[in-house]
Amino acid sequence: AQSVTQLGSHVSVSEGALVLLRCNYSSSVPPYLFWYVQYPNQGLQLLLKYTSAATLVKGINGFEAEFKKSETSFHLTKPSAHMSDAAEYFCAVSGVNTGFQKLVFGTGTRLLVSP
Amino acid sequence: NAGVTQTPKFQVLKTGQSMTLQCAQDMNHNSMYWYRQDPGMGLRLIYYSASEGTTDKGEVPNGYNVSRLNKREFSLRLESAAPSQTSVYFCASSLHPSGETQYFGPGTRLLVL
Repeated sequence: AQSVTQLGSHVSVSEGALVLLRCNYSSSVPPYLFWYVQYPNQGLQLLLKYTSAATLVKGINGFEAEFKKSETSFHLTKPSAHMSDAAEYFCAVSGVNTGFQKLVFGTGTRLLVSP
Repeated sequence: NAGVTQTPKFQVLKTGQSMTLQCAQDMNHNSMYWYRQDPGMGLRLIYYSASEGTTDKGEVPNGYNVSRLNKREFSLRLESAAPSQTSVYFCASSLHPSGETQYFGPGTRLLVL
C-alpha cells in the first residue's frame, strides 16, 4: 500500500530562514504527490502537486518541492520563512494501487516561525 | 461560490446517540470524500464517492455510513456514536477521482462523551 512519511512532527525556524519540510513516499510506480497546508481551525488547502510533469514544482506563497524518484522524496522548501507560514503541512500521495483514486496523508509537520 | 460547506461546525453527542454530518459542494465536482483528523495521525479516509451513485470504503469505515444524495451532497452518518469517534471531520471534493486536487471544507468538530 502507498504511504508517506513526514520526518519531524514539529519544525522551528526563524523568520527569513530556509524552510525544509521532509516527505518520503513508498510506491513501486511514480505516484501523484501533494502538499497541503492547514491554518488553525481551517480546512486544508493545496500548496502544490506533482503529477509526472516537471520534477520541480512551484506552488503558492513561494513554496516549491522537488520530486526525486531515486530518493523517493518530495521535500517542501521555501527560501525565506514568513510569520504567516506558521501552520501544519501535510504531504499526501495517490498511486496505482488505488487507481489513483484515494489520497493517503502523512501525519503532518507543524511549522513554527519565530521573529 | 462557497466551495465546500459543512454543517454543523461543532457538535457534542452522548455515547449511543446518532447524527448526520452534512456536506455540499457547488463546484460541480464528481468525487467527494470524508476524512477524520486526529492528533498525530494526519487525515484518514472514512468513505469516498468517486461519482454520483457510487460509494466505497476508505481506511477507517467502521461505525460510519454515507449517502451520496445527489451530485452536490455527501452525508456521513454515525448510527451509535462512541468516544473513539471524537475527532474533526473534513469533507472534500474533486473534479475527478484520479490525481485531482481535493478541495476541503472547514470541518466539523465532534465530541462524544
